[in-house]
Amino acid sequence: AQKVTQAQTEISVVEKEDVTLDCVYETRDTTYYLFWYKQPPSGELVFLIRRNSFDEQNEISGRYSWNFQKSTSSFNFTITASQVVDSAVYFCALSEARAGNQFYFGTGTSLTVIP
Amino acid sequence: GAVVSQHPSRVICKSGTSVKIECRSLDFQATTMFWYRQFPKQSLMLMATSNEGSKATYEQGVEKDKFLINHASLTLSTLTVTSAHPEDSSFYICSAPRGTRGEAFFGQGTRLTVV
Repeated sequence: AQKVTQAQTEISVVEKEDVTLDCVYETRDTTYYLFWYKQPPSGELVFLIRRNSFDEQNEISGRYSWNFQKSTSSFNFTITASQVVDSAVYFCALSEARAGNQFYFGTGTSLTVIP
Repeated sequence: GAVVSQHPSRVICKSGTSVKIECRSLDFQATTMFWYRQFPKQSLMLMATSNEGSKATYEQGVEKDKFLINHASLTLSTLTVTSAHPEDSSFYICSAPRGTRGEAFFGQGTRLTVV
């Protein structure tokens, strides 16, 4: 079974629009970590955020914000006032404490910001 | 700066030859490293877990005789693609966990093209 589901395969928005990328995860562990990575065409994974399972506080970093809800097993990512440079593939990932920090990646969401 | 260095970033080789990819943790020791593979427009999938001083653990469907993993020291893991074929063309990326709080660092990735 897929541990991390990103239902949106591709999203296109016009510059300056807000966009939310959805992520739903599945785990039986009580201790786990959730991540978002950005992957530009170069392929390198750019770390955006890490959240542990005990911290449900939402976080804002500039134009980025994350909404973590354990009740719905979701960890959604919102970009406000999107820019062309935000165009990339975004991956949500889960790491379970018992699995030694092995990552389970979602299928990724390809975001295109149209100027 | 990068805490995990992966080399080479890009390699083109002829079918039937072998290619070695290095993953090095720069300022911390990693008894475990993970190797992932990403085919075009797909997610990152775990191939194997590299263990310092012992045999690697391979995921189901990954040929251990084809993808040789050596974790010779606490800071270096290598992945050798033996007798490469065009279908092995992919993006390979390693990660090294640090600490016990879900922190992990990814290498820059290696784009392998077999012609």
